[in-house]
Amino acid sequence: AQSVTQPDIHITVSEGASLELRCNYSYGATPYLFWYVQSPGQGLQLLLKYFSGDTLVQGIKGFEAEFKRSQSSFNLRKPSVHWSDAAEYFCAVGAVFMEYGNKLVFGAGTILRVKS
Amino acid sequence: DTAVSQTPKYLVTQMGNDKSIKCEQNLGHDTMYWYKQDSKKFLKIMFSYNNKELIINETVPNRFSPKSPDKAHLNLHINSLELGDSAVYFCASSPQPRAAGSTTGELFFGEGSRLTVL
Repeated sequence: AQSVTQPDIHITVSEGASLELRCNYSYGATPYLFWYVQSPGQGLQLLLKYFSGDTLVQGIKGFEAEFKRSQSSFNLRKPSVHWSDAAEYFCAVGAVFMEYGNKLVFGAGTILRVKS
Repeated sequence: DTAVSQTPKYLVTQMGNDKSIKCEQNLGHDTMYWYKQDSKKFLKIMFSYNNKELIINETVPNRFSPKSPDKAHLNLHINSLELGDSAVYFCASSPQPRAAGSTTGELFFGEGSRLTVL
């Protein structure tokens, strides 16, 4: 069964500083990997995803993530954080089941605080 | 237009009551899901339906009964509500991974329905 670990529960960065959120996954086959963001009181918005090909993927809002198979990691990065990036970030690993859908297993989330 | 919409957004009720949450998606997706987000923000899949058929049923108490009248709707009915049912329930949908033009299975989430059981 797949699982996801996000080691950092909270991270605080200064506005304009760079950001890296860590994600490690466990899955027996080639994973589908996702990063979602949840702002307070909101649903989850997809930031980016990896299925195959280039291991560095670009997403919305200036985010990128790098898939490293040898480390079972899919860390999220942003070169310069904006105050509006303060939110909770979820990493997820998916497994296509029965060709019908994608069962996503989520990590526990990392809360990002941005200080001015 | 909202892609995945849930109603109600907030629900406060007493223990022992029965309540329903409705979900509709206008994305033309074949697969829909219910996820539960607990007080620690942990998201866990509960159910998944494909074209009105149940395909995932995690270890959820049978007080929870999903119903899919058509592929655009997936409702969640909860009987005999308990304090531990307090959570945010998210509906989601996804295209079939191997469908032409599919974005290969990413989930599109609604805004959530916050259920508080007193």
